Order: sequence, then C-alpha cells, then structure tokens
Amino acid sequence: SYELTQPPSVSVSPGQTARITCSGDALPKQYAYWYQQKPGQAPVLVIYKDSERPSGIPERFSGSSSGTTVTLTISGVQAEDEADYYCQSADSSATYVVFGGGTKLTVL
Amino acid sequence: EVQLVESGGGLVQPGGSLRLSCAASGFMFSSYWMSWVRQAPGKGLEWVANVNQDEAEKHYVDSVKGRFTISRDNAKNSLYLQMNSLRAEDTAVYYCAREGDYGDLSWGQGTLVTVSS
Repeated sequence: SYELTQPPSVSVSPGQTARITCSGDALPKQYAYWYQQKPGQAPVLVIYKDSERPSGIPERFSGSSSGTTVTLTISGVQAEDEADYYCQSADSSATYVVFGGGTKLTVL
Repeated sequence: EVQLVESGGGLVQPGGSLRLSCAASGFMFSSYWMSWVRQAPGKGLEWVANVNQDEAEKHYVDSVKGRFTISRDNAKNSLYLQMNSLRAEDTAVYYCAREGDYGDLSWGQGTLVTVSS
C-alpha cells in the first residue's frame, strides 16, 4: 500500500524557521495538503494543492514541492504553532486518500 | 460554512457492531465525495473509506474491507459508516470529512468509538 513519510518530530526556537517534509512516490502526480492538529481538536487545513494557503491562515505558513517530496515551511515560528502536522495526498490512481504519519512540532 | 456533526459513537464489545452518522450542512451535500477518517488514541490520522456523490464508487482501507460499509443519503444530507466485527484496534475518534473542490478535507469534530470488553 502507498505511504507518505514524515519525520516524527521537529524542534525549533521561537522566531526560527521550521521545515517539515513529506515524501511519497506519487507526489509528482498528486497534490499534497497539510493539516495542523492541536490536542483535542479536529485537524485544520493550512496548505492545499502543494503551496496554496487558505484564507485565514497566517502568511508564515507556506508549502513547496520538489519531485517526490513536499515541504511545509513555517517562518518566524510562534509558540501557538506547536502542534502535530500531517501531510495528505492520494495514490497514483487517485483512488485512496493517504496521510503521512504526522510530525510533532515543538517550539522550544 | 461547512458543518459536519458526527454521532453514534460509544462503547462496544469486540465482535459487535456500531453505526456512525454524520449530519452535513452549509454546502450542497450531494455534490461532494465524502470520507471517514479515524485517529486511534495518541496516534496519527488514518483514512478509512470514501464514497462518491451517487454511491457508485466506494473505497476502503485494507484493514476494514469486508467489515465496514460507507453509505450516504443525499435527501437527508447524511453520511453513514456501518461497522461490523469490531476489533480493539478499531478504537479511535472517527471523523466525517468532505472532500472539497481542491481535494482538501473539511472535518467534523469526531465521535469516539471504544471497542473493549
């Protein structure tokens, strides 16, 4: 079955830049989406179609894509950004929805 | 505004059955693919199943094939998940989600299913 691979954890100090990667063989063919999830809450979309930002999401959140890897970048990290982040995409035939394992962002 | 409200969760014994419901509002329900996604305690998100607008297409993650059935009633703006032969590893918060115009997911708040004796 198709898998998306994320690092389990990323740690940064306030004001620094956090980069979270997501790798998968079908990413050159399928868009990626990023969700932020805080404890006890439903996920919230922060990036769609690899690099588009929904209204209401701060400009410090951005996304990029290169080959089989997509990256979520949070510039000028704030304490409120501490959360779990999940990438989501589909298999090459667009039949199955797939999530990465999630990355816990810790703001030191 | 997209609103999705799940219900039907609870405690069930291994081997038992449960039916989850999701009431949708704020959008044209009959125009969208819908999904169920679950999250076991302390674990990541796992897509479970989805269904297209007229139920002609349904897809499932391998671990629930033959045990879970996704369905919808467009007249009632409702999505369902019939879960049979439940196992301890099915314990999770189950989210109803709309697959949006850009392929993104909009989420409900979830309903907890606990499979335990």
